[in-house]
Amino acid sequence: GQQLNQSPQSMFIQEGEDVSMNCTSSSIFNTWLWYKQDPGEGPVLLIALYKAGELTSNGRLTAQFGITRKDSFLNISASIPSDVGIYFCAGLRAQKLVFGQGTRLTINP
Amino acid sequence: GAGVSQSPRYKVAKRGQDVALRCDPISGHVSLFWYQQALGQGPEFLTYFQNEAQLDKSGLPSDRFFAERPEGSVSTLKIQRTQQEDSAVYLCASSANRGGVQKLFFGSGTQLSVL
Repeated sequence: GQQLNQSPQSMFIQEGEDVSMNCTSSSIFNTWLWYKQDPGEGPVLLIALYKAGELTSNGRLTAQFGITRKDSFLNISASIPSDVGIYFCAGLRAQKLVFGQGTRLTINP
Repeated sequence: GAGVSQSPRYKVAKRGQDVALRCDPISGHVSLFWYQQALGQGPEFLTYFQNEAQLDKSGLPSDRFFAERPEGSVSTLKIQRTQQEDSAVYLCASSANRGGVQKLFFGSGTQLSVL
């Protein structure tokens, strides 16, 4: 079963708002990744983090690799309609990705 | 092709039927992964190939599940005697690098419904 806990499970926000979500694990990962999945599609990589404490940005997205290596955070600034979807965190262990259960983002225009 | 291609897109099977799901990875990609995604959940690892070698099959839920990649390109995931709990989206992903999950490209998946 999955070992990563994501919160919140769902978010309903207004367009233009900032979004924060996080992911925690009971065990350490040395690489954290954040994916977005649109309906009927596979996950697409947004950001990869390789070092504890690392803060990485990709456009309006910023992600952080927690110091304890057991958590990670994703922020989206100034949300737009195309940000709608499900966001997954994933930890890498022995070539395998362990995914969280996802955060579903809904945006009201 | 331009991306990872999976077929069929949808499959409905009667309980007890055998099914075969196909994955065409991006040309030249060495690594190929299969994941199972239940409704409302994140993907879960099933198995991993490097070229034609199946290096990890620890995620296959039972001996009814079998995967192959005989020529190191196209892969098939076979499920024998399907059960209702096998209903899920089966995702294939490929990478140019050996074990390179950081540059992993996912297909759109095959949605399997077992009645």
